[in-house]
Amino acid sequence: GENVEQHPSTLSVQEGDSAVIKCTYSDSASNYFPWYKQELGKGPQLIIDIRSNVGEKKDQRIAVTLNKTAKHFSLHITETQPEDSAVYFCAASMGRDDKIIFGKGTRLHILP
Amino acid sequence: DGGITQSPKYLFRKEGQNVTLSCEQNLNHDAMYWYRQDPGQGLRLIYYSQIVNDFQKGDIAEGYSVSREKKESFPLTVTSAQKNPTAFYLCASNSGAVFNYGYTFGSGTRLTVV
Repeated sequence: GENVEQHPSTLSVQEGDSAVIKCTYSDSASNYFPWYKQELGKGPQLIIDIRSNVGEKKDQRIAVTLNKTAKHFSLHITETQPEDSAVYFCAASMGRDDKIIFGKGTRLHILP
Repeated sequence: DGGITQSPKYLFRKEGQNVTLSCEQNLNHDAMYWYRQDPGQGLRLIYYSQIVNDFQKGDIAEGYSVSREKKESFPLTVTSAQKNPTAFYLCASNSGAVFNYGYTFGSGTRLTVV
């Protein structure tokens, strides 16, 4: 089955700098790649997603890139702000049975 | 507003007790999921249901049971057979479309064994 690896597990960046989180997936049939943000004590929220027919997608300060050949995708957050501090999960899905496989998460700390 | 409601937010269980966690959605979603979250473990799938009256085991189903009698509801029972139930439990749903559009999560239930 699908396996999603995510790194780093913890990331600290200075406020205003950029943050990058990287994920790899194992099954080339995966075609949907969502990213979730989880704040302390809350459920994860979808922040951006990308499908396999697209190489890059942007939404204000966040962007996701996908390299199908290498089977990896990344989340980029620019001009980081204190409210970006959270745990971020990448995920992948083959779409056939709707299950989404999650990475283990990255705890992002924005330093003042 | 449409969404997923999990209750209670905090739950305490004595050793040997069964407890049931509630999950209700008004999104008209077909598929529903239960995840367990432990520090450093990410999200691990317990059970999922793609349609009413049908459900499948996930990766860590032992010690848990579910039912799906209504489209809106997917309760999770943590039985006494679950040896380490203290965790944060998350319920999620999606439309069930073949081309997946991602999950909507509830706000979670934190279960503690006392």
